[in-house]
Amino acid sequence: DGGITQSPKYLFRKEGQNVTLSCEQNLNHDAMYWYRQDPGQGLRLIYYSQIVNDFQKGDIAEGYSVSREKKESFPLTVTSAQKNPTAFYLCASSMWQGGRTEAFFGQGTRLTVV
Amino acid sequence: AQKITQTQPGMFVQEKEAVTLDCTYDTSDPSYGLFWYKQPSSGEMIFLIYQGSYDQQNATEGRYSLNFQKARKSANLVISASQLGDSAMYFCAMRPQGGGSNYKLTFGKGTLLTVNP
Repeated sequence: DGGITQSPKYLFRKEGQNVTLSCEQNLNHDAMYWYRQDPGQGLRLIYYSQIVNDFQKGDIAEGYSVSREKKESFPLTVTSAQKNPTAFYLCASSMWQGGRTEAFFGQGTRLTVV
Repeated sequence: AQKITQTQPGMFVQEKEAVTLDCTYDTSDPSYGLFWYKQPSSGEMIFLIYQGSYDQQNATEGRYSLNFQKARKSANLVISASQLGDSAMYFCAMRPQGGGSNYKLTFGKGTLLTVNP
């Protein structure tokens, strides 16, 4: 079945450590996105990518990094520079062009700093 | 810059009644898509409905319809015959479309809908 897979579902990190969240899609989508969601809040865009080896900063990119070495994969690294990383992280993908370009989401990763 | 505004942090509706969730947007792109998503307490994001900026008719998907008023830049979601399972967070989103445009997908802050029995 086609879809987006995020792993792990839950992640605990010690302060000062980097951690990488995985996002893989087999929908042959061009665009991929990372969002952060805090409790009771909306989705804020961290990074997005249209094609391999290209990505753009979203609204809250500081303290995060990404790579897009393969079309199917868009991992997000939460670095030690991110001051308040505890949140729910959602990865999404969509077609780039075409009339209907709704995004499909993974199940999310809950990151907790301990 | 794109912006989505959802002015209703929370809404209540009686089961079997209709409810309208408001969404206004701002963009300078001539072509764009508008989307609504549902997020239950489990956290997953469920796509509900899509409206293209050049679509002549309002979109409908089962019990969901989108009241699109382009001149007013509003894209309200109407849920008919509410069910208990409709209780969730609802997000409005927008993305520019067309060749060469950016593909930034922007979300509003959401509306928490509670359906009462």
